[in-house]
Amino acid sequence: QSALTQPRSVSGSPGQSVAISCTGTSRDVGGYNYVSWYQQHPGKAPKLMVYDVNKRPSGVPDRFSGSKSGNTASLTISGLQAEDEADYYCCSYAVTYYVFGTGTKVTVL
Amino acid sequence: EVQLVESGGGLVQPGGSLRLSCAASGFTFSNYWMTWVRQAPGKGLEWVANINEDGSQKYYVDSVKGRFTISRDNAKNSLFLQMNSLRGEDTAVYYCARTEGETAGNYWGQGTLVTVSS
Repeated sequence: QSALTQPRSVSGSPGQSVAISCTGTSRDVGGYNYVSWYQQHPGKAPKLMVYDVNKRPSGVPDRFSGSKSGNTASLTISGLQAEDEADYYCCSYAVTYYVFGTGTKVTVL
Repeated sequence: EVQLVESGGGLVQPGGSLRLSCAASGFTFSNYWMTWVRQAPGKGLEWVANINEDGSQKYYVDSVKGRFTISRDNAKNSLFLQMNSLRGEDTAVYYCARTEGETAGNYWGQGTLVTVSS
């Protein structure tokens, strides 16, 4: 049940693309196509942005996309906007538990 | 509209107990797994426990096994977390979330703060 590894921070200018990695093991990320990504603004509850590796809930802009290769999942934000500045967490299903990533702060320069 | 409203947080001494509640509305509560997630001050999210639709399956993070109990009352559309033998490291905002498929939370409450301190 060790936390998934994410970079502490990433940054980009408006309009640019940024990618956040999420590294786990074959027991979690690598074992299932059930990685989700959450956006959290300060003082707010998390919001689901991507689920099942690359699916977007209704209402989430298509600027947000997910992928996975082996034990590492990624969230890409294209056409970065000011409102995308937030903390982002990945999460993997592992049958009898879930494990979150360490979190990444996205800064819009 | 799906709504999840947590309550029951507060200040408790180490070794004490607290019972959190989550009132659900806007969906058929008995059709969904439910999950508790916590976030210590300034820290990341941590999955705590989840429970299946009829309460017959329950899973916990290792750090709370034997101390926390998740339960639900489908007649009252409510989720609970009984927390015993509380420690300082349990201090956190506790969120309840509706689980859908293998996604831990597609809807979240606003959270309730639990502070364990003497």
